[in-house]
Amino acid sequence: GAGVSQSPSNKVTEKGKDVELRCDPISGHTALYWYRQRLGQGLEFLIYFQGNSAPDKSGLPSDRFSAERTGESVSTLTIQRTQQEDSAVYLCASSISGGLSYEQYFGPGTRLTVT
Amino acid sequence: AQKVTQAQTEISVVEKEDVTLDCVYETRDTTYYLFWYKQPPSGELVFLIRRNSFDEQNEISGRYSWNFQKSTSSFNFTITASQVVDSAVYFCALSEDKGGAQKLVFGQGTRLTINP
Repeated sequence: GAGVSQSPSNKVTEKGKDVELRCDPISGHTALYWYRQRLGQGLEFLIYFQGNSAPDKSGLPSDRFSAERTGESVSTLTIQRTQQEDSAVYLCASSISGGLSYEQYFGPGTRLTVT
Repeated sequence: AQKVTQAQTEISVVEKEDVTLDCVYETRDTTYYLFWYKQPPSGELVFLIRRNSFDEQNEISGRYSWNFQKSTSSFNFTITASQVVDSAVYFCALSEDKGGAQKLVFGQGTRLTINP
């Protein structure tokens, strides 16, 4: 399909383990965003990539969280030494470009459960 | 700091009733954008509308309408003649125009249930 895809759809991990979440943006979209959605809550911004510019990491909650993106392709969000409070749905979105004129298209999310 | 408040956590109505979802926002900027997203049970957010702070015209799209009032910092969403397929969680969001990332600040969401 032509939408944003994320994998895995569900991930259960033990406390203390590292996890990697993947996002495939829509082809041609230069901007990519990661959000976290805790149960019953709205989305929290985590990180933003725009082309080859330095990412905006202002929303990352701790240094256990990191993300990478090569060019305008796939992005991975890594959580090291997972904690139970990391349990949430992690959503990725992409848009044609950064800035407010462009709609963000969201993926289905990865549901992370830390036991 | 920016903040979006959706005071209604859950709403339940019978099909064909009209329903209004409230959204109140806080920002210090004069230039900003407001959004509504729908999150059906599948989980994927669906964009519904974007409105900039200089455009206070109300908008109607089919059974959906939006009322933007800067004087009360509100951006309410009304569904007319609701249908079961409208059942979802609806999020209001705010973004400031900083010339860079469209970092959305979301409200807590309103879970809307339309009963047949």
